Amino acid sequence: EAQVTQNPRYLITVTGKKLTVTCSQNMNHEYMSWYRQDPGLGLRQIYYSMNVEVTDKGDVPEGYKVSRKEKRNFPLILESPSPNQTSLYFCASSPEGVSRSYEQYFGPGTRLTVT
Amino acid sequence: AQTVTQSQPEMSVQEAETVTLSCTYDTSESDYYLFWYKQPPSRQMILVIRQEAYKQQNATENRFSVNFQKAAKSFSLKISDSQLGDAAMYFCAYRSPYSGGSNYKLTFGKGTLLTVNP
Repeated sequence: EAQVTQNPRYLITVTGKKLTVTCSQNMNHEYMSWYRQDPGLGLRQIYYSMNVEVTDKGDVPEGYKVSRKEKRNFPLILESPSPNQTSLYFCASSPEGVSRSYEQYFGPGTRLTVT
Repeated sequence: AQTVTQSQPEMSVQEAETVTLSCTYDTSESDYYLFWYKQPPSRQMILVIRQEAYKQQNATENRFSVNFQKAAKSFSLKISDSQLGDAAMYFCAYRSPYSGGSNYKLTFGKGTLLTVNP
């Protein structure tokens, strides 16, 4: 089944404790992206990647890092989480450059709480 | 920068009735893509319908249809014969058609929470 997976689905952590949220897709998509969703703000892009070793900042990158060492994986790293990073996080992928469907496929979301 | 506005934070509809969710956007681009995503309580983001700006015909998908008014920069979603399973948060989103990483971003509205009453 074609899908985007994220782990963990739920995470409660404390301020300053480094964490990684994994994202993996099995559709051979070039483009991957991370969004955060906050009440009243919709979804906002954090980082994106055009392909292996090609990443760039989105609209709200502060406090986050990413890496793209393999085409299928795009982890989101919070090196020193703070309470304002409490949010719902989505990973998405899209076959840019291969298909012109422009549809982005979303993972199931990760609910992160930083206390 | 493009912006997407959903002016209705919440809407409600009776089962089997029709409801229209509003979306307006601002862009200087002449070509673009518009989407409606549904987010049920499971939080999964589900693509409902897609409209390409160069197409004059409004997109339809079963009970879902859009009213795309390019000059007015309006993109409303109509749900006919509403069902209990339609209850969800609905997001309107914009995407540039041009190449380049930053152009692939989806710009979302703040969402409209739809309640379906039995």
